[in-house]
Amino acid sequence: RKEVEQDPGPFNVPEGATVAFNCTYSNSASQSFFWYRQDCRKEPKLLMSVYSSGNEDGRFTAQLNRASQYISLLIRDSKLSDSATYLCVVNRDTGRRALTFGSGTRLQVQP
Amino acid sequence: DAGITQSPRHKVTETGTPVTLRCHQTENHRYMYWYRQDPGHGLRLIHYSYGVKDTDKGEVSDGYSVSRSKTEDFLLTLESATSSQTSVYFCAISPSRGASGSVNEQFFGPGTRLTVL
Repeated sequence: RKEVEQDPGPFNVPEGATVAFNCTYSNSASQSFFWYRQDCRKEPKLLMSVYSSGNEDGRFTAQLNRASQYISLLIRDSKLSDSATYLCVVNRDTGRRALTFGSGTRLQVQP
Repeated sequence: DAGITQSPRHKVTETGTPVTLRCHQTENHRYMYWYRQDPGHGLRLIHYSYGVKDTDKGEVSDGYSVSRSKTEDFLLTLESATSSQTSVYFCAISPSRGASGSVNEQFFGPGTRLTVL
């Protein structure tokens, strides 16, 4: 079983749609959680950290459920520019700051 | 902009040749990482460093070595390249405390595309 599992997609949605991505992680000792965005042939870029209380940044909302070891990302009012791969990331070792990356979920927003 | 550069950006080499990839950062961050990214696998940690001359292995370290003689440079060497090492290699840094307050945020360089024939 992978440490971080994501549905690879692709998710094909029309502009303006709301789309949700889910992720599960296996290490119950994990303390830090992130969503990264990666455009084709580019480096991953931090989208947002995920906090236990849930957090929102504009059209993006992240939720964490520690009991179920589950992380989600909600994108409202999708834009063409949101088309990318979204990576779920969990820390493996806080002391060494090692992160474990999911394989990513691909989103294609269509006009 | 995390001030990370990688060189070369693209390289084609032959099986059995040594290859060194360079990661350079301008902001004196202590933690640096090398990952490889392959379809279906996501990013996998090769080696990392938590200071000058302090390095450790990641999950896919076989066939790779690293060196960090200066804070700003982290070198990844493939001693004898194999076709299975064809991949995209990303360097990352982790600042003391990220913008969101987390101590575990990482920021990536632009990547090196390596092809081993």
